[in-house]
Amino acid sequence: AQKVTQAQTEISVVEKEDVTLDCVYETRDTTYYLFWYKQPPSGELVFLIRRNSFDEQNEISGRYSWNFQKSTSSFNFTITASQVVDSAVYFCALSENTGNQFYFGTGTSLTVIP
Amino acid sequence: EAGVAQSPRYKIIEKRQSVAFWCNPISGHATLYWYQQILGQGPKLLIQFQNNGVVDDSQLPKDRFSAERLKGVDSTLKIQPAKLEDSAVYLCASSLGTASYEQYFGPGTRLTVT
Repeated sequence: AQKVTQAQTEISVVEKEDVTLDCVYETRDTTYYLFWYKQPPSGELVFLIRRNSFDEQNEISGRYSWNFQKSTSSFNFTITASQVVDSAVYFCALSENTGNQFYFGTGTSLTVIP
Repeated sequence: EAGVAQSPRYKIIEKRQSVAFWCNPISGHATLYWYQQILGQGPKLLIQFQNNGVVDDSQLPKDRFSAERLKGVDSTLKIQPAKLEDSAVYLCASSLGTASYEQYFGPGTRLTVT
C-alpha cells in the first residue's frame, strides 16, 4: 500500500487562480513528520515545509498555506493567486520516527497558464 | 552556504557496464541519502547514512548497487552491472539528522542505460 498518495497527477490553472494539491498519508506511528517539496523543471527538489504529527495548526507562508488534518490523514497544500513560476511538480513526503523511513508520493504536476 | 554537490550531471552507458556517482553533502550534515527517481515517479530511497554508518538500505538492490560514505562526508553510489531499468535520475540529499529533519537535495545525475 502507498504510504503517501497524491491522487492528482496533473493540474492546470490559469494565473491568479487558487489551487489546492491533495496529500493523503498512511502510518501507524504516533510520531511522524510530513513534508512538501517542489521540483521545478530544472530538477532540483526544494524543501517547502515540515510539520510534525503533534502540531495540527495550519500554516501560511506568503501565497502558500498548508492544512494538516490528522482525522483524515491529509496534509493539503494551497497556492493562492498562482503564478507561472509556481509551475512544477510538487511532492508530499512522510517520515516515520520508527526506522527512519522516508516516503515520497508520486507527485502532482502543476501548470500555471499565463 | 554551498549546497549538495553531485557529479556527473549526466551519464550514458551501455547495459552491463559499471557507473559511479559522487555526492558531497552540505557541511555539517550528518545524514546522507541516495534516491532513485524514475521519470514520472517520486524519489525512492535507496540508502541512508548517518555519519559513515548505514541506517537503512532495505530498498537498495544489493546484487548490483553499492554505496559507501568514507569518513562520514562524501559518498559514492555504484552500479555494477547496469540494466536498462536503472535509467533514472539519482538524487543525493543531506540533512542535519534523520526522520524529523528536512532534506536538501543536489541537482541529481541523469543516467541513461542503452
